[in-house]
This record gives sequence, C-alpha cells and structure tokens, in this order.
Amino acid sequence: GEDVEQSLFLSVREGDSSVINCTYTDSSSTYLYWYKQEPGAGLQLLTYIFSNMDMKQDQRLTVLLNKKDKHLSLRIADTQTGDSAIYFCAESISNAGNMLTFGGGTRLMVKP
Amino acid sequence: DTEVTQTPKHLVMGMTNKKSLKCEQHMGHRAMYWYKQKAKKPPELMFVYSYEKLSINESVPSRFSPECPNSSLLNLHLHALQPEDSALYLCASSRAGGGSPLHFGNGTRLTVT
Repeated sequence: GEDVEQSLFLSVREGDSSVINCTYTDSSSTYLYWYKQEPGAGLQLLTYIFSNMDMKQDQRLTVLLNKKDKHLSLRIADTQTGDSAIYFCAESISNAGNMLTFGGGTRLMVKP
Repeated sequence: DTEVTQTPKHLVMGMTNKKSLKCEQHMGHRAMYWYKQKAKKPPELMFVYSYEKLSINESVPSRFSPECPNSSLLNLHLHALQPEDSALYLCASSRAGGGSPLHFGNGTRLTVT
C-alpha cells in the first residue's frame, strides 16, 4: 500500500542547513516530489527526482534518494527566514498516472 | 506567482447556496485536478480530468460537481454544502501522462456557515 511519512516539525537557526526527511513504502514509486506551502497559499513545486537517480541539486536545494531504504531527504543550505513553511514530500506511482500521495508535511521554523 | 489561477480567493456560503470555484491555466496542460485541504493536513485528491474527461472521482459526495469546459478551465460547482466542507480547495494541472509534476494554484478558502 501507499504510505508517505514525515516528521512533524523542524527548527533551525538562520544560516544553518535544514534537512527534511521522508519515507515511503511503495517500491514502484517513479517520481518523488518536494512541495513548499506558505501560510494561506497553495503548494509550490520545489524540485522532484526520478527514482533511478540518487541525488539532484538545484541552487540551495539538494535532494537525496535512498531507494533501498525508501528514504528521501531535502537539504536546504543557508536557510533563511523566508524558508519557514510546511514542506510536503509526495510520490507518484508508475501505474497511477500523476496521482500523488502526500506525506503529512513538515513545518520548518527558521529562527533569526 | 503561480501559473494556475483560482477564483475567488475566499468564499463564504450558506448551506443552501449554490456557488462555483474556478481554475484556469495556460501552460497547455491536459490534466487538471481538484484537491481539498483541511487545516494542518496534506491535500486530498477529489477529481482528475484528463483531456477534458473525468478520469478519477475519489468517492466525492454529489454536492461537489466538477466541470471541465475546455482544456484551460476547470470549475467546481458547490450545492448544499455542510460546515465540515469548509477547507482550502486547490486546483492543479500537469501534462497528461505519468511522472509530470503538478502545478498548484493558491487555492480558494471556503467557509460554509
């Protein structure tokens, strides 16, 4: 079955790195996504990774995928107060089109 | 800024009202989605349209009625809603076919009184 889990909360100091973790259970996941949601807003696509990749880097964002352990992480370098938001990981399954299964979201708080 | 535009941003309606939520995208995407998000929860899929045809209905009550008039527009017609239907309603679009990321609008905050 499909199940995506994330820790609820992460607090870091401005300038530090943040690492948000996600685990999933469906081994047929093809794409894994990270979305950011600020208060009162929709979901902003941050980055995504295909399941045959180990790592993807995009400016301050680094995604690591351990397919064996079904573990996905999002590292934000030099975290800023504007990065404070809820971060959702999501998976899509190869035989389910673009249907996404979301994790519960991790609230990132960045302290000045 | 989002490339998926939703109107209105906020909506308050009574349980006997009829209202509609609107969504528009001009990215040439042929798949469009409605999600419902309650506070402090992840989005839950309601409907999927692919090439303007309803392909997925996640057992949504009939008081929610989707419509896709053309490839750029998606509506959600609301009638006889309940207070527990109060939520953020998110529209998304993507290319049709597996693995294409969804692009979300900023949502309509619906309050049913």
